[in-house]
Amino acid sequence: GAVVSQHPSRVICKSGTSVKIECRSLDFQATTMFWYRQFPKQSLMLMATSNEGSKATYEQGVEKDKFLINHASLTLSTLTVTSAHPEDSSFYICSAIVGRGEEGYTFGSGTRLTVV
Amino acid sequence: GNSVTQMEGPVTLSEEAFLTINCTYTATGYPSLFWYVQYPGEGLQLLLKATKADDKGSNKGFEATYRKETTSFHLEKGSVQVSDSAVYFCALMPNNYGQNFVFGPGTRLSVLP
Repeated sequence: GAVVSQHPSRVICKSGTSVKIECRSLDFQATTMFWYRQFPKQSLMLMATSNEGSKATYEQGVEKDKFLINHASLTLSTLTVTSAHPEDSSFYICSAIVGRGEEGYTFGSGTRLTVV
Repeated sequence: GNSVTQMEGPVTLSEEAFLTINCTYTATGYPSLFWYVQYPGEGLQLLLKATKADDKGSNKGFEATYRKETTSFHLEKGSVQVSDSAVYFCALMPNNYGQNFVFGPGTRLSVLP
């Protein structure tokens, strides 16, 4: 089946630095990718929707200048957490649409970000 | 708007006990319904799904039936195992191409030997 490879799985960074998370579709073209964030013991909240070749659409309350999303190709979308702070520590997961319809979705394995 | 409500956890059961995790939803139109499972430290895995009313999704002994009249999609398993310990998320997908999932808050299940 369709696979999205997400890297890194875990990252620890210092406050003030930037971290890039990659999601790569391995055997299909991902026109649309979704980025979710999960706080400890809470559900996944949609952060933004990225479409290949266009600007990402951010959900209300998500700082677009802090969470930079780039979807420059049909197989790669990246989320960069800029000037990270401890409150950005979270679990980030991407999801890609495979083909059309409600059955065609796959998730990355997630990235646990810890900002110290 | 679209929303998903799940029973609050954590749920703690003994091995071989019967499991029910309630899920109800609010949506316009005819959404598809899903259960995802998240094992410790891992991402989400699709457990089962149903795309229309009265459909039953099943996988690994888990079942859930799409009940439009009660807007529910309760997850059941007749005999849980220690390896079923995880967080379970109920989710819906609106009946439109290109939409994102709407997730419930998740229910943590712990199965004791």
